[in-house]
Amino acid sequence: AQSVAQPEDQVNVAEGNPLTVKCTYSVSGNPYLFWYVQYPNRGLQFLLKYITGDNLVKGSYGFEAEFNKSQTSFHLKKPSALVSDSALYFCAVRDPYQLIWGAGTKLIIKP
Amino acid sequence: GAGVSQSPSNKVTEKGKDVELRCDPISGHTALYWYRQSLGQGLEFLIYFQGNSAPDKSGLPSDRFSAERTGGSVSTLTIQRTQQEDSAVYLCASSSSATPNTEAFFGQGTRLTVV
Repeated sequence: AQSVAQPEDQVNVAEGNPLTVKCTYSVSGNPYLFWYVQYPNRGLQFLLKYITGDNLVKGSYGFEAEFNKSQTSFHLKKPSALVSDSALYFCAVRDPYQLIWGAGTKLIIKP
Repeated sequence: GAGVSQSPSNKVTEKGKDVELRCDPISGHTALYWYRQSLGQGLEFLIYFQGNSAPDKSGLPSDRFSAERTGGSVSTLTIQRTQQEDSAVYLCASSSSATPNTEAFFGQGTRLTVV
């Protein structure tokens, strides 16, 4: 069965510093990986996806993610964090049409 | 519409009552999904509709839960004889197709509280 793990419940980063939110996956076949963000009392917003091709995927709000097949990882990154990036981040994999979700990582950006 | 619309945004109901949650997907999207988000369980898949095909109901937690999609557009999730453990945020999503490489777009959710 497909699965996704987000090993960190919470990540704290100072504003202006680079941020990384970790995600590892376990799938049979080619993975279709997604990152979503959830702001308080809001629905989930799509950030980016990996389907095939370039291992570095660029998405919304300056976020990018690096697909690493050998490490089965799909970490979310941003070069310079903003306070407004504080939110709950979810990694997910398609199986084959429903999304299998990680537990979520709370990102806190401190001024 | 411009995005996925869900109503109501909040619903408080008494234990044992039935509730209906509505989802209006993005126009032209053929695939529609319901998920549930709760503190203890995270995000769970409930049901999936694709065009006129029979829905995948494999995620529905009990026979008190049902959903329909009329005319390939609006969907209603019905919970009968609500229980306190049904309290959660119910999220609807739609996508332009059911292919695995297609992203889903989510509504704001309906927060259901059973008292």
